[in-house]
Amino acid sequence: ETGVTQTPRHLVMGMTNKKSLKCEQHLGHNAMYWYKQSAKKPLELMFVYNFKEQTENNSVPSRFSPECPNSSHLFLHLHTLQPEDSALYLCASSYRSGENTGELFFGEGSRLTVL
Amino acid sequence: GDSVTQMEGPVTLSEEAFLTINCTYTATGYPSLFWYVQYPGEGLQLLLKATKADDKGSNKGFEATYRKETTSFHLEKGSVQVSDSAVYFCALSGLTQGGSEKLVFGKGTKLTVNP
Repeated sequence: ETGVTQTPRHLVMGMTNKKSLKCEQHLGHNAMYWYKQSAKKPLELMFVYNFKEQTENNSVPSRFSPECPNSSHLFLHLHTLQPEDSALYLCASSYRSGENTGELFFGEGSRLTVL
Repeated sequence: GDSVTQMEGPVTLSEEAFLTINCTYTATGYPSLFWYVQYPGEGLQLLLKATKADDKGSNKGFEATYRKETTSFHLEKGSVQVSDSAVYFCALSGLTQGGSEKLVFGKGTKLTVNP
């Protein structure tokens, strides 16, 4: 039990579909992240939310749309994706304070396949 | 920008062998350094961390020492077990352009331990 729960664990979608990934953290953290993990590439930071406010969009295409309604929930809305978007999408959370060491807590990921 | 370079895998060892996975980094300032582990089908878990130069992080028999002079954070274990088979990621803490905390990851090193 990592304290960060992602659903669904697996998702297959066509290029014209609209779907959403959900992340929930039960750790009392105030920052949440989306990372993309593709084969043979470093983890790529996509979005960061601090206190529900988006503070980073790492040049992510607009077909990925994040939503953070409160500090415990994070969504990634998917629309008209491409096959190269197939990857493991990892949600993470952390607690920001004055002397933050940067430790992140990860969910188990949502494996996305775009046909 | 900040970056992490870790040795290419995969690494295959026999049980009870000595493990070293090299990691070097480039960063401005004095980041915290981390090793994360990802077991098959799971998200990333923090293995150990070090927050300042000469600190040694340790957990589950794994160790890594923050070496500022060589900008390195090599992971070692004296006697690996089959259950250590996983992908290991070196990471450093940094700041996004928006001033948020983030982790910068290496590409990961896959370790397989045979009985």
